[in-house]
Amino acid sequence: SAVISQKPSRDICQRGTSLTIQCQVDSQVTMMFWYRQQPGQSLTLIATANQGSEATYESGFVIDKFPISRPNLTFSTLTVSNMSPEDSSIYLCSATPGQDYYGYTFGSGTRLTVV
Amino acid sequence: ELKVEQNPLFLSMQEGKNYTIYCNYSTTSDRLYWYRQDPGKSLESLFVLLSNGAVKQEGRLMASLDTKARLSTLHITAAVHDLSATYFCAVVEDSGNTPLVFGKGTRLSVIA
Repeated sequence: SAVISQKPSRDICQRGTSLTIQCQVDSQVTMMFWYRQQPGQSLTLIATANQGSEATYESGFVIDKFPISRPNLTFSTLTVSNMSPEDSSIYLCSATPGQDYYGYTFGSGTRLTVV
Repeated sequence: ELKVEQNPLFLSMQEGKNYTIYCNYSTTSDRLYWYRQDPGKSLESLFVLLSNGAVKQEGRLMASLDTKARLSTLHITAAVHDLSATYFCAVVEDSGNTPLVFGKGTRLSVIA
């Protein structure tokens, strides 16, 4: 299965600033996904990132706040913009090669604290 | 809209006891996933169940899938402290490359 390197692993940021989270996959994958996990909660999908097209955002998440890039089949970034304390969460990327492979792999997560 | 419900959300078990976590989902799906998450860590894949009647076992954990009832179970046998973690089930809505939809998770605590 694919291995995802996600960084940074954690950060403490000032309110009003932005943070870009990177995920590098060790093999080509069709789909990548970004999730948010608030403390003690489950995972909520932010968006789906397809290479070569605009990301598809879930209800409640907008591109201006969470811009995503997917420049190739092994890499994606999520930016959390104009941060507020409510953005303090764990952010996880996930990938699946697609086609006949059913596994979904997760990055190690980015623990973001906004002060 | 696909919804995934897990119960119980919290489970405190004595070591050596057996228990079952239930996962119901609302629409047709033939793929169900179980993950484990330790505090401060990412998700560890436990089982991928791909067809009706699928049963998989690893150590003290056994997972099964009934697609007609839209139900999966994660059975814990003779619990040990090392099993303390949060367990999530997740479902994909169709056979395409769609994202996982997660249940709320079951926080398991195994006590002596």
